[in-house]
Amino acid sequence: AQSVTQLGSHVSVSEGALVLLRCNYSSSVPPYLFWYVQYPNQGLQLLLKYTTGATLVKGINGFEAEFKKSETSFHLTKPSAHMSDAAEYFCAVSDREDSNYQLIWGAGTKLIIKP
Amino acid sequence: NAGVTQTPKFQVLKTGQSMTLQCAQDMNHNSMYWYRQDPGMGLRLIYYSASEGTTDKGEVPNGYNVSRLNKREFSLRLESAAPSQTSVYFCASTRTGGSYEQYFGPGTRLTVT
Repeated sequence: AQSVTQLGSHVSVSEGALVLLRCNYSSSVPPYLFWYVQYPNQGLQLLLKYTTGATLVKGINGFEAEFKKSETSFHLTKPSAHMSDAAEYFCAVSDREDSNYQLIWGAGTKLIIKP
Repeated sequence: NAGVTQTPKFQVLKTGQSMTLQCAQDMNHNSMYWYRQDPGMGLRLIYYSASEGTTDKGEVPNGYNVSRLNKREFSLRLESAAPSQTSVYFCASTRTGGSYEQYFGPGTRLTVT
């Protein structure tokens, strides 16, 4: 069965520093890949997604992620962290052949921004 | 265009009480989902409805029932609430034939005492 691993339940970076949140998946067939962001006391919002084509995907708020098939990874990055980036981030994958359109979720990484 | 709406936003129940969480989407999506979110456990799927008229169990269905009332609405019922059901509940929907991204409601914070 598919699984998603997010390395680090908490990641702390200084304002202005590089943000790197890691996500690895288990499928041998490239799935659809997603990053969602959840601000405190809110629902989840799609940050970016990879379906096909270019492996470097740009999302909202300056975030981007790169799909690396050989490493089964889809890490999320942002060159310069801002205080407003403090949130929880979830990686999710979907089997392209799943007729129920389910997503398999990582456990989430809480991003802490130090002033 | 409201997207996915959920009611209520907050609810406190006593053990043994029942309640229904409501969810509606106005995006003409076929598939709808109910999740619960607990600290450190990410999102866990309770039930889903791949299309109008069908429902299926997810990872943690015990203690819950669902109804897909029509294409827009998907409700979650707790028949006899237990403290272990204290959680934040999210409803989501997705478009069949798309790239599977799900759209989420704002959530319902439920406390069972």
